[in-house]
Formats: sequence, structure tokens, C-alpha cells
Amino acid sequence: DAGITQSPRHKVTETGTPVTLRCHQTENHRYMYWYRQDPGHGLRLIHYSYGVKDTDKGEVSDGYSVSRSKTEDFLLTLESATSSQTSVYFCAIRTKSESTDTQYFGPGTRLTVL
Amino acid sequence: DQQVKQNSPSLSVQEGRISILNCDYTNSMFDYFLWYKKYPAEGPTFLISISSIKDKNEDGRFTVFLNKSAKHLSLHIVPSQPGDSAVYFCAAMGSNFGNEKLTFGTGTRLTIIP
Repeated sequence: DAGITQSPRHKVTETGTPVTLRCHQTENHRYMYWYRQDPGHGLRLIHYSYGVKDTDKGEVSDGYSVSRSKTEDFLLTLESATSSQTSVYFCAIRTKSESTDTQYFGPGTRLTVL
Repeated sequence: DQQVKQNSPSLSVQEGRISILNCDYTNSMFDYFLWYKKYPAEGPTFLISISSIKDKNEDGRFTVFLNKSAKHLSLHIVPSQPGDSAVYFCAAMGSNFGNEKLTFGTGTRLTIIP
């Protein structure tokens, strides 16, 4: 599982409230990613990080912000949650060798926005 | 604009037979491809990958074939087992983009019939 944990695993919140999801890794990987999974869309990249304080947008970044103040933690924040952000959120890390380049995923956080 | 397409949302296969999952891509800059398997309430699990310098890669019961001219890849599972029932995602990346980001298909739900 590449030492990835996500918290919380489940959350129900109301429209307009702020929400922060946490991804924690124990193996010092440089790259970390946040995806959302929705029916009919597969997994879509929200934001990613390529080092401490280094982040960039993915294809569905509107309404989300991220922060990475230390290598092991990558936080995803919904400043004002909307019902369209109800989804399952996955964090991932990247491992790269001479012959492979792979992302490994955490267990996911199911977020419901009422 | 879906750059990675899995046109079959679902597939049912008899136990012991071959399962063939298909994936098409449109971006000619993609040069590395991965397959992931996902069980309900879990994160995607990496299965197998292939670089564009190859046309086949095998790992046990799993083989991925790449046809660059057709921009098509397929995952073969032989023999299929009940534990293979899951959603399978195809993903692609391009070294010209730094291989930093994966683009996923929408997934195919495979059901193995005992």
C-alpha cells in the first residue's frame, strides 16, 4: 500500500462549510496527488505536488486548494463545499525506477456534501 | 475531451476463460500505459504497465498488448478467476509532460461468472 493513509475515511458535511482532507505517507516520496472518482468519469486529477511547497493544478482544480508544508503530508481543502464536490477522493504517490513509473493509491475518502 | 477511452462499461466472463479489456487513446504523446484494478471501497491497485518501446508485457496471468499505430491497448487475463471481478482502469502518461500526470479511462467493470 506504499504506506499511504487518508483521513478521514468518511465525511458528511453541509454546503458552504470548509473541509480539509489529509493524505499521509511514510516513505518520503517526492510526488503526491489528489484525485476524485465519479461514476462515468474514472479518476480525475485535482492537484499534485512535486515537493514541499511545490504544487500544480490538475484538470478539475476549481474549488479546491492544496498545501504541502512537509514531505509526508498533502492536504486538500474545499474552502466552501458544494454538492458537486460529493465524491470519493484518492491520494496517490509516485515511484520511479529505471524501468517503471507508477502511482500507488491510498484507501480513499468518501465525502458527502448535503 | 476524453483522451483515454474504455468503451465497454462492463464485461462478463466465465471462470477459467480469457478476459480481454480494451482501451483506446487519442494523444500521440502518450508513451507509457498502466492498468489498475479497483475493488469497492478500496483504492486502485497497480496491475501492470507497458512502455511504448514494447508491444507486449506479461506478468503471471496478466498480459498487456500495445498497438501504437491503432492507439490501442488491451489487458488479457488468463485464466479468469472469481477474485478478478473488479473495475479495471486504463491510464496513460507522456514523457514530454515529465510523466508527472496520469490520464485515466472511465473504467470497465469485469464480472467473472463461477
